[in-house]
Amino acid sequence: AQSVTQLDSHVSVSEGTPVLLRCNYSSSYSPSLFWYVQHPNKGLQLLLKYTSAATLVKGINGFEAEFKKSETSFHLTKPSAHMSDAAEYFCVVSGENQGGKLIFGQGTELSVKP
Amino acid sequence: GAGVSQSPSNKVTEKGKDVELRCDPISGHTALYWYRQSLGQGLEFLIYFQGNSAPDKSGLPSDRFSAERTGGSVSTLTIQRTQQEDSAVYLCASSLIGIGANVLTFGAGSRLTVL
Repeated sequence: AQSVTQLDSHVSVSEGTPVLLRCNYSSSYSPSLFWYVQHPNKGLQLLLKYTSAATLVKGINGFEAEFKKSETSFHLTKPSAHMSDAAEYFCVVSGENQGGKLIFGQGTELSVKP
Repeated sequence: GAGVSQSPSNKVTEKGKDVELRCDPISGHTALYWYRQSLGQGLEFLIYFQGNSAPDKSGLPSDRFSAERTGGSVSTLTIQRTQQEDSAVYLCASSLIGIGANVLTFGAGSRLTVL
């Protein structure tokens, strides 16, 4: 069975400083991994996805994530936070033979201070 | 359509009433998913359709919840005899086919409040 654990429920950074949102996964199969973002009162938007190609994945808005099989991690990073990055971020896993069903982490709320 | 459309966007109902939530997926998408997001919680999987059949309905919380899909397109999630704990945002998503690497496109959700 697949699962994801987001290690921080809330992260606060200052504008212009780096962002690190941590995620560990558990999967019996070769997983597909995603990060989704949810801005207040808006729908879920895909940031990036990993599907067994390059282990460093670049997404939208300057975000990237690195798949580390030895650490079963898929942390999300951004070199410099912007005020508009404030949102809820979800780490998500989808495995083989699951019909594309996504398993969501509990989410990390990112706050960005001016 | 251009995106996944859900209706109603907001629904307030009284405890014990039945509600229907509708999802209109992206045209041509064969896979359709329902999720529930309660206040301050992550997304909880409810049910998945491939075409009109539901290979995985393991997330439905109780027999008060049911869903159907017709014509390989529109899906309806029905909650009978609603309870206050059913209050949540119900999200629908679709993808071209139901495989792990596919990206799901989510609708804006239907916010259900049970008084």
